[in-house]
Amino acid sequence: EAGVTQFPSHSVIEKGQTVTLRCDPISGHDNLYWYRRVMGKEIKFLLHFVKESKQDESGMPNNRFLAERTGGTYSTLKVQPAELEDSGVYFCASSQGLARETQYFGPGTRLLVL
Amino acid sequence: DQQVKQNSPSLSVQEGRISILNCDYTNSMFDYFLWYKKYPAEGPTFLISISSIKDKNEDGRFTVFLNKSAKHLSLHIVPSQPGDSAVYFCAARSGGSQGNLIFGKGTKLSVKP
Repeated sequence: EAGVTQFPSHSVIEKGQTVTLRCDPISGHDNLYWYRRVMGKEIKFLLHFVKESKQDESGMPNNRFLAERTGGTYSTLKVQPAELEDSGVYFCASSQGLARETQYFGPGTRLLVL
Repeated sequence: DQQVKQNSPSLSVQEGRISILNCDYTNSMFDYFLWYKKYPAEGPTFLISISSIKDKNEDGRFTVFLNKSAKHLSLHIVPSQPGDSAVYFCAARSGGSQGNLIFGKGTKLSVKP
């Protein structure tokens, strides 16, 4: 069974540009989470989808970040316009059924904003 | 303010010996704790978990201990192997339906042959 996949693996953009990250969860997993790790710090929660609905977006830093999960399958996270402090590794995770199941993480997208 | 703390950024252990990784938390509402292992350029991989109603959970070489009164948990790896070298993250989940995880900063374990 395929795990969580993320695209791209790396992205280098200039400040002010737009970047869209994609996450494909494990097939059949209703719960999809986005997390971010800024260098040297802990992995921090951004938001949680249950199917196509945003269950909790309390971790989103500001309105430059927009997440979608149309159709309840894959999800995208768009950063527009990107700022220097947005650099970091963006992880996606998914879990099956109840939100309290174990979360399985993707390999992450390494974003560098110059 | 950090709710999950891993105060040791690194730990070095000889192969075959026991590795003990520690984690402290501040929020008594946490009801489930997990350990993830992370290799460079990969995502965190689930290792073992424990519910707050238990004080020990064992899976092969890995055992997690929970001391609720001290708000402390630890991961024991015995015997340690060179392939265990990775960054270990402690994570906690709040009681309720949301399910999002709160992570510590991680401890880098090096197991030397």
